[in-house]
Amino acid sequence: TQLLEQSPQFLSIQEGENLTVYCNSSSVFSSLQWYRQEPGEGPVLLVTVVTGGEVKKLKRLTFQFGDARKDSSLHITAAQPGDTGLYLCAGAGGRSQGNLIFGKGTKLSVKP
Amino acid sequence: NAGVTQTPKFRVLKTGQSMTLLCAQDMNHEYMYWYRQDPGMGLRLIHYSVGEGTTAKGEVPDGYNVSRLKKQNFLLGLESAAPSQTSVYFCASSSRRSHQGSEQFFGPGTRLTVL
Repeated sequence: TQLLEQSPQFLSIQEGENLTVYCNSSSVFSSLQWYRQEPGEGPVLLVTVVTGGEVKKLKRLTFQFGDARKDSSLHITAAQPGDTGLYLCAGAGGRSQGNLIFGKGTKLSVKP
Repeated sequence: NAGVTQTPKFRVLKTGQSMTLLCAQDMNHEYMYWYRQDPGMGLRLIHYSVGEGTTAKGEVPDGYNVSRLKKQNFLLGLESAAPSQTSVYFCASSSRRSHQGSEQFFGPGTRLTVL
């Protein structure tokens, strides 16, 4: 079974701080996605990375796909309360039979 | 566009009762999915469909059945609900398969409690 391990599971920081969330696997994925989920809502896609070593930026969020396509990271610069939510990584390809395999998520709380 | 809608939003069942969750999408997507989300467990795939009239099992299919009679609708049934099925259920759809990097669009979820 392919697994995606996310760390940390919980993160509580002050506004203005930087943070990094990690998504690791022993398996290779053809692509990896990051979703954000707010309370009472479904996940919403933030980014898809497909090339080993790829870096994508979305305003204050920087996403990186590992060279071997087994891991990914999400870095947030100068976090704001609006960044609060559950961040989920999801991998596709390999033995996932064309479906997404989700990590367990990182619950981020940014306090003003 | 409404995107992906789910009904009902909340439901409480007694053990042994049955119910059907309805998912509808207006994006003409071929692929649809049912997930459950439990605390600390992330999203787990229950069943999915690669087109009208087709269904397939996901990671945790036991105790659930699905049907995709119309392209825009994907139904999830619980024939005899058990407390272990207490969860938040999400439906999603996509235009292509996930290994092709396709985005999945999620509904707002159904919170189900089985007593």
